[in-house]
Amino acid sequence: ILNVEQSPQSLHVQEGDSTNFTCSFPSSNFYALHWYRWETAKSPEALFVMTLNGDEKKKGRISATLNTKEGYSYLYIKGSQPEDSATYLCASFSGNTPLVFGKGTRLSVIA
Amino acid sequence: GEEVAQTPKHLVRGEGQKAKLYCAPIKGHSYVFWYQQVLKNEFKFLISFQNENVFDETGMPKERFSAKCLPNSPCSLEIQATKLEDSAVYFCASSLRGTAEAFFGQGTRLTVV
Repeated sequence: ILNVEQSPQSLHVQEGDSTNFTCSFPSSNFYALHWYRWETAKSPEALFVMTLNGDEKKKGRISATLNTKEGYSYLYIKGSQPEDSATYLCASFSGNTPLVFGKGTRLSVIA
Repeated sequence: GEEVAQTPKHLVRGEGQKAKLYCAPIKGHSYVFWYQQVLKNEFKFLISFQNENVFDETGMPKERFSAKCLPNSPCSLEIQATKLEDSAVYFCASSLRGTAEAFFGQGTRLTVV
């Protein structure tokens, strides 16, 4: 099973700060990179699915970029709010392997 | 259905007993994934299906764990002779295709006592 790594493991930011975190994945035979937001006691919900090198996607204050050649994706949150507090998971889908998740980055936004 | 339905929500089993978990994927979705969440934030892949065929089972413990996705039936994950370390939340997810977003069920919390 391919290895998906996320950093940092956890992050504390002040309300209003912008922040970003990283997902790295093996670049060979790549099909898609997924980002999910997971709040405690709920199920993960998809934020973005990206497939093309150089893809950039945006949803409100959250955006993501993808580099398939070097095998990384960044998730950015602009002007963090307390409701952004959650665990952010990335997952990679390659040609012959299933959707494999990283361990996530736990974000806490302090008011 | 419009959402992934997992049953039961909670399951308690004595060590050595069998546990069976069910997942009804969203209608029309070809892929089904099972994950085990033991520690917070860590989704351990178990097995995936493409329709009723096993797509990848490299995450499944070789003994005691089995899974099926048969036509016109919910998918199932069965653990024979449960052990204490099997206690976890088991999530099922389905997607239209590998490059599409996965939709998760609410999970089944298995407690082995």
